[in-house]
Amino acid sequence: DAGVIQSPRHEVTEMGQEVTLRCKPISGHNSLFWYRQTMMRGLELLIYFNNNVPIDDSGMPEDRFSAKMPNASFSTLKIQPSEPRDSAVYFCASSFPGGPGFGELFFGEGSRLTVL
Amino acid sequence: QQQVKQSPQSLIVQKGGISIINCAYENTAFDYFPWYQQFPGKGPALLIAIRPDVSEKKEGRFTISFNKSAKQFSLHIMDSQPGDSATYFCAAPDTGRRALTFGSGTRLQVQP
Repeated sequence: DAGVIQSPRHEVTEMGQEVTLRCKPISGHNSLFWYRQTMMRGLELLIYFNNNVPIDDSGMPEDRFSAKMPNASFSTLKIQPSEPRDSAVYFCASSFPGGPGFGELFFGEGSRLTVL
Repeated sequence: QQQVKQSPQSLIVQKGGISIINCAYENTAFDYFPWYQQFPGKGPALLIAIRPDVSEKKEGRFTISFNKSAKQFSLHIMDSQPGDSATYFCAAPDTGRRALTFGSGTRLQVQP
């Protein structure tokens, strides 16, 4: 079975450029989460969707970040313009109906972003 | 605000020893306490989880101990192996019980 699929795995870009990270959740999962991982701040929840609807985006650091989920099988996280402090590993995760309190989060392998 | 506080930040254990990682939480409404394991270059993966109606759950060499009155839960790894070397995260649902908040992580090294 395919797990959560993220692309690209690695992205190196220059400050000011637009970055788009992509995620395909596990089929049948109705909740999708974007997390960011850094040494300083650990795993931070950025935003999550339930049935393609954004539920809580309070973790999105600023207006330069945006996320969409146009359908049940695809989500994007966009940073425009990117800054060096955005350098991190971005994880997408999905879960069964009922949310994480009733099942586990399945993480992708992450997208490592480096902004020069 | 930090809803789960994890310690220690790093841990070195000899092969065959016991690894213990602790987590403290604040919100008494939390009702699900998982531990995730992350290997370098991979995403976290669920290791073991517990609900507060039991004080302990064991799966193989991994045990969660839960102390509701102290608002603490811990992960015990018995007979630690070099293959257990990874970063471990405790977690708990956020106030709305719709997403997980993770602890800061513990980097475990099991020396052969």
